[in-house]
Amino acid sequence: EIVLTQSPGTLSLSPGDRATLSCRASQSVNNDFLAWYQQKPGQAPRLVIFGASSRATAFPDRFSGSGSGTDFTLTVSRLEPEDFAVYYCQQYGNSQPTFGGGTKVEIK
Amino acid sequence: QVQLQESGPGLVKPSETLSLTCTVSGGSVTTYYWSWIRQPPGKGLEWIGYLHNSGRTSYNAALKSRVTISPDTSKNQISLKLSSVTAADTAVYFCARHGSFNSAERFFDLWGRGTLVTVSS
Repeated sequence: EIVLTQSPGTLSLSPGDRATLSCRASQSVNNDFLAWYQQKPGQAPRLVIFGASSRATAFPDRFSGSGSGTDFTLTVSRLEPEDFAVYYCQQYGNSQPTFGGGTKVEIK
Repeated sequence: QVQLQESGPGLVKPSETLSLTCTVSGGSVTTYYWSWIRQPPGKGLEWIGYLHNSGRTSYNAALKSRVTISPDTSKNQISLKLSSVTAADTAVYFCARHGSFNSAERFFDLWGRGTLVTVSS
């Protein structure tokens, strides 16, 4: 099983700030099959990024993904009020998809 | 517009079988891959398993002995059965559509709202 470790656990920022979220895998993720999801309280997760850097159509270009191998990053260039949420990374490079523990982006 | 809706009992007794249904509207269950994913209250996400209409399934190794995912194409539904449940199985259960027709690409582009199942006597 590939274990994903997300850091930091909580990110306290203000609207307009840049958010940088990290996801580190315990072993290399095949084909960079890494996704990011946004989840707000009481709601289902929403796909933000797949294939490490491909953005889902519902999300604006202030969201970007990067990285390869074992180290991946989700960047939100300028936080809008609706971006404050919990973000999860997920690897699907092998037959057993796994999720990270999440990073909460909260308003400072 | 495709929508997913989970349904089933909100309370299950320990040692019994949890049974949930995901109804697909606005699209066909025969077209995509579908997964069940769960989230214990206040915790992270865990993939349970997937189904393709070809009958192909794949399960989380930690749950494999207790899980069955199957289709009901006449009702456009996907069902989940989890046997011998304990309190550790208490979670919000989501059904989700895979974002790719490639079986190897198991990311999820559409989710149901989820249903909370509590295991308690």
